[in-house]
Amino acid sequence: QKEVEQNSGPLSVPEGAIASLNCTYSDRGSQSFFWYRQYSGKSPELIMFIYSNGDKEDGRFTAQLNKASQYVSLLIRDSQPSDSATYLCAVPHSGGYQKVTFGTGTKLQVIP
Amino acid sequence: DAGVIQSPRHEVTEMGQEVTLRCKPISGHNSLFWYRQTMMRGLELLIYFNNNVPIDDSGMPEDRFSAKMPNASFSTLKIQPSEPRDSAVYFCASSYGTLQETQYFGPGTRLLVL
Repeated sequence: QKEVEQNSGPLSVPEGAIASLNCTYSDRGSQSFFWYRQYSGKSPELIMFIYSNGDKEDGRFTAQLNKASQYVSLLIRDSQPSDSATYLCAVPHSGGYQKVTFGTGTKLQVIP
Repeated sequence: DAGVIQSPRHEVTEMGQEVTLRCKPISGHNSLFWYRQTMMRGLELLIYFNNNVPIDDSGMPEDRFSAKMPNASFSTLKIQPSEPRDSAVYFCASSYGTLQETQYFGPGTRLLVL
């Protein structure tokens, strides 16, 4: 099993719809989880992080965490064409310091 | 404040040549990371430093790769000799703190080895 797994997509949603991106991880000791967005040809940038079970909302973005199921998701409401990008799930190792494993990313396409 | 700075932005070289990638982290950040990104393998951590000390280099693919951080504001990743399979985008990232903090990525160096 890979340490961090994501569906590579592409995930296509119409403009205005909700996009749901999923990520599973294997390290039960992981305490925090990050979502990065990467536009084509650009570098990853952080959009959300979550530490506690449940939901965390920031504008149109909601991160959901279920540690028992080792599952983290990102919901994008009212999807816009500008949201078209690859979304990377990042899970720090539980062993300390800052080693992070990134998933391979889900490519999202928002169709106007 | 300036973000993470990487140079060169693009590098084309021939197999067998030495390649040196450079990174200047954000001022005040104490951790620095080197990643490699390819379509097949995604974003892979090669090595990271904390307070200029290499902490984990288990991702360095082989002895042809080496990295240094002589001071808090500069790091290099060297490939010698380079091979076509080293073609990828190499990112440098930095962060502040000792736990699981946000990483800030540089623009990357796109390397093509012919």
